[in-house]
Amino acid sequence: AQKITQTQPGMFVQEKEAVTLDCTYDTSDPSYGLFWYKQPSSGEMIFLIYQGSYDQQNATEGRYSLNFQKARKSANLVISASQLGDSAMYFCAMSPDGTNNAGNMLTFGGGTRLMVKP
Amino acid sequence: DAMVIQNPRYQVTQFGKPVTLSCSQTLNHNVMYWYQQKSSQAPKLLFHYYDKDFNNEADTPDNFQSRRPNTSFCFLDIRSPGLGDAAMYLCATSSSGTVYEQYFGPGTRLTVT
Repeated sequence: AQKITQTQPGMFVQEKEAVTLDCTYDTSDPSYGLFWYKQPSSGEMIFLIYQGSYDQQNATEGRYSLNFQKARKSANLVISASQLGDSAMYFCAMSPDGTNNAGNMLTFGGGTRLMVKP
Repeated sequence: DAMVIQNPRYQVTQFGKPVTLSCSQTLNHNVMYWYQQKSSQAPKLLFHYYDKDFNNEADTPDNFQSRRPNTSFCFLDIRSPGLGDAAMYLCATSSSGTVYEQYFGPGTRLTVT
């Protein structure tokens, strides 16, 4: 079974500053994928970034980067230069390696509400 | 260029009255998922279709059913909604053989009166 833990229910960050959202995971799968999604108040889940367990380099997508520490089983999201539009819920999720053609079931953490202050 | 469409966005139903939520996609993805998200909680997978193969999560109540008549459409049927079924219902799609993201629709917020 897979488990995702996000220990920060809510966080504030000043506009234009960087912020780190924590995520730890537990799994017995030899390979897996880690994801971050953003959920604004409108409800839609927006994919941000993906990290494969065998990827050697940390993933980056624009202002988003994933600080992947496999030995510590952590996959923290770093948002640089925060913007007011970044205020939202952020979910960390993981799935078994999707290349087994069985679908890509996601297990989500409890989420972190980020609030960006002007 | 909407990719995953859910209708309606808001649905009100009465206790015990069957309700159907719909999802359609223009991505031609072969996997479709339904998630339930209660207030201030994480999304919880109810079931998914891999092509025509239906896969139910072990703890999904029998009250929840799904249909997928073709690749593009998937329906969530709640046979006898209870007050505890009030939630956001999210539909998502993905393409098998990759490890990449699921694409989510905007969700349908269900209210049970």
